[in-house]
Amino acid sequence: EPEVTQTPSHQVTQMGQEVILRCVPISNHLYFYWYRQILGQKVEFLVSFYNNEISEKSEIFDDQFSVERPDGSNFTLKIRSTKLEDSAMYFCAIGQGNYGYTFGSGTRLTVV
Amino acid sequence: AQSVTQPDIHITVSEGASLELRCNYSYGATPYLFWYVQSPGQGLQLLLKYFSGDTLVQGIKGFEAEFKRSQSSFNLRKPSVHWSDAAEYFCAVAAQGGSEKLVFGKGTKLTVNP
Repeated sequence: EPEVTQTPSHQVTQMGQEVILRCVPISNHLYFYWYRQILGQKVEFLVSFYNNEISEKSEIFDDQFSVERPDGSNFTLKIRSTKLEDSAMYFCAIGQGNYGYTFGSGTRLTVV
Repeated sequence: AQSVTQPDIHITVSEGASLELRCNYSYGATPYLFWYVQSPGQGLQLLLKYFSGDTLVQGIKGFEAEFKRSQSSFNLRKPSVHWSDAAEYFCAVAAQGGSEKLVFGKGTKLTVNP
């Protein structure tokens, strides 16, 4: 099963600062996703990325969020101006329904 | 849109007892169905998945799940629970042929008593 590496594992940032969360899948994939999980709550879909463009995004994924694959391997999630409520665990995932999905170990973002 | 309901927020069982975690989904056709497990502070580990075919699927760690189309359910079972099974369990669905995103239930926290 392909592995997905996320960096950093934990990031603390000041409110209003920009953060970039990174995801590196070991093998080539077409579908990428970001999910988040606020402490004690369920995992929520943020955005799906297919063929180098956003294929679907949730209501959470507003103008403060962006995704890209800057060098064809890394897959990043950027939050332009963090808010306290952005504190959560962020998971990157790869895969497709009929093949299954693999999640990274997550980045815990703490906004202070 | 798909939705997933896990009616039990918290379940406590004794070690060695059997376990069933409930999951109901709402979707117009047969979705892809998954169960994930999450230990505190950890990522999501896939236990098992259902795409088509045999409605009873086997997963890792001795878990199995049964897809029942008539009940829109995909319940997770284990005949004998071990203390190491204590974790949070999430049921998830993805639409076949539609959006590839996963929709998760709210999770069931499992506590195992010695």
